[in-house]
Amino acid sequence: QVQLVESGGGVVQPGRSLRLSCAVSGFTFSRYGFHWVRQAPGKGLEWVAVIWYDGSKEYYVDSVKGRFTVSRDNSKNTLYLQMNSLRAEDTAVYYCARDSDLNRFDYWGQGTLVTVSS
Amino acid sequence: SSELTQDPAVSVALGQTVRITCQGDSLRSYYASWYQQKPGQAPVVVIYGKNNRPSGIPDRFSGSSSGNTASLTITGAQAEDEADYYCNSRDSSVNHWVFGGGTKLTVL
Repeated sequence: QVQLVESGGGVVQPGRSLRLSCAVSGFTFSRYGFHWVRQAPGKGLEWVAVIWYDGSKEYYVDSVKGRFTVSRDNSKNTLYLQMNSLRAEDTAVYYCARDSDLNRFDYWGQGTLVTVSS
Repeated sequence: SSELTQDPAVSVALGQTVRITCQGDSLRSYYASWYQQKPGQAPVVVIYGKNNRPSGIPDRFSGSSSGNTASLTITGAQAEDEADYYCNSRDSSVNHWVFGGGTKLTVL
């Protein structure tokens, strides 16, 4: 069955870096684009980034542009989010989600918590 | 960039019908998708496109759209429908996506 499993979250100091991974199984990874979506504690969902199925294009929400980089390794069926210069306001559960037809996010991981604190 | 606006909270009596709305300029160009999120769980898509339900989503969930407003309707709300609901759409000006602020649905 379809599975997306995030990992790499944890507690990190402001200004430091962290890399999240999203391991995918159950379908042909290279045929789909993927999103990262985050949710601060007690808050709503916020779209963070998207990467095209072939990795040719990436787009970011303005608040992370220049600090976060989304990438993928189609040989490992894995999606990544490199997060640099982390700030307290980046504290959130980070979800990876598959992009599907009609702009829906049809499968989601369980999320990984990133806490930025000194 | 575009924004999507939702009412923060809505309540409905058990078995009654409730409509949750989402407003935004991007909805003039793109359909909304709707996500249900229960505490401690990942979101689940319940409606997408014009009015499409993924397999496993009860037919009491339906969607509609007019102009800059998308709506999610639950006909005959059940206790298990109590959750947060988010709309989502593609931003019409750039290759961004945006979520509404979410609506907390209480089933009385």
